[in-house]
Amino acid sequence: DTEVTQTPKHLVMGMTNKKSLKCEQHMGHRAMYWYKQKAKKPPELMFVYSYEKLSINESVPSRFSPECPNSSLLNLHLHALQPEDSALYLCASSQDGGWSYNEQFFGPGTRLTVL
Amino acid sequence: DQQVKQNSPSLSVQEGRISILNCDYTNSMFDYFLWYKKYPAEGPTFLISISSIKDKNEDGRFTVFLNKSAKHLSLHIVPSQPGDSAVYFCAASETGNQFYFGTGTSLTVIP
Repeated sequence: DTEVTQTPKHLVMGMTNKKSLKCEQHMGHRAMYWYKQKAKKPPELMFVYSYEKLSINESVPSRFSPECPNSSLLNLHLHALQPEDSALYLCASSQDGGWSYNEQFFGPGTRLTVL
Repeated sequence: DQQVKQNSPSLSVQEGRISILNCDYTNSMFDYFLWYKKYPAEGPTFLISISSIKDKNEDGRFTVFLNKSAKHLSLHIVPSQPGDSAVYFCAASETGNQFYFGTGTSLTVIP
């Protein structure tokens, strides 16, 4: 299994809603990532988990809350989002927990629309 | 199933020589392609793009070639510089919104 899966594929939410994005991999990877990507722009790194601990938070607003329940799962909890948060949210994983990784496997993303 | 594949996990090239990074895709509906460069602990940096109406796009030392019949694209860096050492991702899209990424090729340019 060399896939990173993300659910849901599409999500529409209001500004007062609470929702969660989920990401899963079964490749034994110890680093997992959340990216945000606006249309036709490169992905922007949001968070990095290394060995289930948050190692990087790229100054992301607190309305985005990551969680890594175990080495295979990564969640992104969303609360009180703004319309400008509408984007494609990508999850990725890599083998190493440090910064010596070569390959990073991306999921297909969740298309989020905030009304 | 990976729709975009980079079959070479790593590549080493002497400074001043050409670096050629390859990418294959399976979905014939993909019509927009990107190359990213990524340093450790940083997000991907956009390098160059190409749409399916072209077979070549140049930007300085970087040239991307697209072979639609072979479902193959490549990134040429000439001349290669030590600062080019990074992981390079290709990505493909059908709509320009949702991109499918390759797993990356780690390029090392040896001084």
